[in-house]
Amino acid sequence: QSVLTQPPSVSAAPGQKVTISCSGSSSDIGSNYVYWYQHLPGTAPKLLIFDNNKRPSGIPDRFSASKTGTSATLAITGLQTGDEADYYCGTWTKTWESSLSTYVFGTGTKVTVL
Amino acid sequence: QVHLVQSGAEVKKPGASVKVSCKASGYRFTSYYLHWVRQAPGQGLEWMGLINPSGGSTTYAQKFQDRVTMTRDTSTSTVYMELSSLRSDDTAIYYCARVYSYDSAAWDFWGQGTQVTVSS
Repeated sequence: QSVLTQPPSVSAAPGQKVTISCSGSSSDIGSNYVYWYQHLPGTAPKLLIFDNNKRPSGIPDRFSASKTGTSATLAITGLQTGDEADYYCGTWTKTWESSLSTYVFGTGTKVTVL
Repeated sequence: QVHLVQSGAEVKKPGASVKVSCKASGYRFTSYYLHWVRQAPGQGLEWMGLINPSGGSTTYAQKFQDRVTMTRDTSTSTVYMELSSLRSDDTAIYYCARVYSYDSAAWDFWGQGTQVTVSS
């Protein structure tokens, strides 16, 4: 049961830009780094963004992200057909029941290239 | 070359247990945490927990706290994820993934995934 809310889907034409929001709370996004993943069902997810806005080597700068307060946003510019996939945000969270942090994914967003 | 190779597909009956393995190679096994993530059909990604191969300490998602056990065998560089009291909604692809730091989720290498099907 995710505590991070994403829009179910976004779409745009090739070459255009899409943004995906990820909404959380002060106990998760508000106090931890945000990560973004690209996932094609049946394959292993791929890390796109770590520590709010950093790209691993090999990830093009068409992918960018930001975080403000308890929300985060992933932007994909110059949209390509190969970008069609599911995208998930994620972050650490801590509940009142436990002193340990656990990880939570967003609800996921399907990106469609029109 | 880093590899995480998972065990093969499993079919289990409701109430049974399943143990999935993830064998690491190409790096120092005890230097990276291993996490488990699953995806059920039509559902999103779900984090299950992590294990520190160095000391064997674990952290589990609250949802799985009573049913999951993660262990490791340093002699074979393998981590295991055992899920008990299986239900049909445990049908999913299970992935292991590694990360260098405890408080990071910047998983850089993943296993290929293991299909677990729970059906009577």
